[in-house]
Amino acid sequence: GEDVEQSLFLSVREGDSSVINCTYTDSSSTYLYWYKQEPGAGLQLLTYIFSNMDMKQDQRLTVLLNKKDKHLSLRIADTQTGDSAIYFCAASLSFGAGTTVTVRA
Amino acid sequence: DVKVTQSSRYLVKRTGEKVFLECVQDMDHENMFWYRQDPGLGLRLIYFSYDVKMKEKGDIPEGYSVSREKKERFSLILESASTNQTSMYLCASSSGQGGVGNGYTFGSGTRLTVV
Repeated sequence: GEDVEQSLFLSVREGDSSVINCTYTDSSSTYLYWYKQEPGAGLQLLTYIFSNMDMKQDQRLTVLLNKKDKHLSLRIADTQTGDSAIYFCAASLSFGAGTTVTVRA
Repeated sequence: DVKVTQSSRYLVKRTGEKVFLECVQDMDHENMFWYRQDPGLGLRLIYFSYDVKMKEKGDIPEGYSVSREKKERFSLILESASTNQTSMYLCASSSGQGGVGNGYTFGSGTRLTVV
């Protein structure tokens, strides 16, 4: 499968923006995805972006795609305690290792 | 509410046992997938299926097999369980011909411990 890389940890203050970054290797991926996993739960699809788009916004979530650099990011505006979770980037059938986001008061 | 249901939340099995993990989806999805999740490694694809009686190997199929006799059910089989198969197993399904389409729906996972 293709390689999907993301940093493992992010700590952010409540109310600030969070930015989670991801790189991937396979440029043929039609869609790229972000999933959220809360403690003790399965993964939940947060959002996805079609490969011919640069940006997608959905309420507090903004996805940016730089196809040339094979770089995907997820920005969470006004981060809340309920956003504490593991966030997975996915391209085709491959997932990154997940970024654990911790929101501190 | 659409669902992917995994039959067991927790399982403890002995080394050498044959283990069946069951997954059922009620969304009439064509595609079903089995992943294992390990800390620091993320999700790794074991097997997937794009149609009934069809199966494809993922990245780590060794020691596993699958069965898809009906569209809604995708079973993962550990032929002879070993301690390095202790993991969280996640089943997922998706619509869209032969792909992930607009994303997976995941089950809640089965945490398997092999002793």
